[in-house]
Amino acid sequence: EDKVVQSPLSLVVHEGDTVTLNCSYEVTNFRSLLWYKQEKKAPTFLFMLTSSGIEKKSGRLSSILDKKELFSILNITATQTGDSAVYLCAVENTGTASKLTFGTGTRLQVTL
Amino acid sequence: GAVVSQHPSWVICKSGTSVKIECRSLDFQATTMFWYRQFPKQSLMLMATSNEGSKATYEQGVEKDKFLINHASLTLSTLTVTSAHPEDSSFYICSGRGGWETQYFGPGTRLLVL
Repeated sequence: EDKVVQSPLSLVVHEGDTVTLNCSYEVTNFRSLLWYKQEKKAPTFLFMLTSSGIEKKSGRLSSILDKKELFSILNITATQTGDSAVYLCAVENTGTASKLTFGTGTRLQVTL
Repeated sequence: GAVVSQHPSWVICKSGTSVKIECRSLDFQATTMFWYRQFPKQSLMLMATSNEGSKATYEQGVEKDKFLINHASLTLSTLTVTSAHPEDSSFYICSGRGGWETQYFGPGTRLLVL
C-alpha cells in the first residue's frame, strides 16, 4: 500500500522566516510527487515533481525530489501571513487510475 | 490551470435523506474523476475513481451502495450519499483529470447530516 509521511505535523514561524517541509514516501510504482496548499477549501496545486535533483520554483516557494532516498522538501522563503495553510504532499502511481495518496499534511502558521 | 466546480458548496440535511453532489470540469474533458473525503484535521482519503461511461472503482472500506457515483459525461460526475447519517458529515472533494495531466480539484462540498 502506498504511504506518505509528512513532517513536521505543525509549525509556527514568524513572518520573514524560511521554512522547510518534509515528505517521505513509499509507492509501488512511482509516477510523480505533488505538493498542494490547502486553506479552507480544496487543495490548490503547487508543484509536480517527477525527476530527482531538479528544483522547481515558483516565487518564494521551491521544491525538490530525491527518488533514491524517497523524499521531497518544500521550501518557503521570507514567509508571509498569507502562507498560513496546510501543505499536503501526495504521490501518484503509474496504475491505470493514477491514484493520489496523500500525507496528513503540515499545518503552517505564520505570525506577525 | 484547469477549473473544476462543485455544487452545492455546502449542504445540511436530515438523517436518512439522500444528497447529490455535482462535480464539473469547466474547461477540459475529465476522462477520470476522483472523489475524496476529508474529516476535520485529517488528510484527503480517496473514496472512488470513475472513468466516463463506466462503473466507478471504490477504495477498500467505501460502500458502493451508499456512495453512488455516476460519470455520464466527460465534464460531469455526481456523488450521491444515500440514506445519510451523521457519521457521513464530512468535506467531499472531487477532482478531474484529462489525459496525462495532474488532477485538478474542485472547491469541495461540506456536508452536515443532522
